[in-house]
Amino acid sequence: ETGVTQTPRHLVMGMTNKKSLKCEQHLGHNAMYWYKQSAKKPLELMFVYNFKEQTENNSVPSRFSPECPNSSHLFLHLHTLQPEDSALYLCASTRDLGVSYEQYFGPGTRLTVT
Amino acid sequence: QQQVKQSPQSLIVQKGGISIINCAYENTAFDYFPWYQQFPGKGPALLIAIRPDVSEKKEGRFTISFNKSAKQFSLHIMDSQPGDSATYFCAASTHQGAQKLVFGQGTRLTINP
Repeated sequence: ETGVTQTPRHLVMGMTNKKSLKCEQHLGHNAMYWYKQSAKKPLELMFVYNFKEQTENNSVPSRFSPECPNSSHLFLHLHTLQPEDSALYLCASTRDLGVSYEQYFGPGTRLTVT
Repeated sequence: QQQVKQSPQSLIVQKGGISIINCAYENTAFDYFPWYQQFPGKGPALLIAIRPDVSEKKEGRFTISFNKSAKQFSLHIMDSQPGDSATYFCAASTHQGAQKLVFGQGTRLTINP
């Protein structure tokens, strides 16, 4: 499925690097999310955007900086990450923030911090 | 508590058998309970979901059973097939504010041919 795309699919970065993850949704949705998926842990919600406005920051460290220039694009800017930040980062979108609207996930970016 | 507890962590079922995955929650404000299926290299995809006003929902071989008083819900996969081998996540959310899904830890299901 190509409804939600994420680039790059894999990223290796040093602790002093700055990189960005990109998410794009082609579904006409208004809300977008960033999740972190670590091995043997539940998916962790990081950020929520609705109509480009951030509505949720789930106590995420400032080394993760989201950006939502429009309802179709979402970025996650990364700087001075730690090895424990290595994980699969998933983007999702939904029609709006109504409780029973399906969230559509992208394939994720596998991030390794060395 | 926002936690959703899922069990088992892994499950092996023979082809044609019934796969059962269980979840329990504490927050009585949860009113939407989806199950997501994730294949390797893919993001999770919605499989089936239930609201607490019904005790069971069936879609093809997949059934959610919901016990509101026990604060538990489960996924049953009938006639399990090798193509069902994936990781399954239960989740829950409330209608208050943003749709924030709280996920269980996941169950890695393997269907042996």
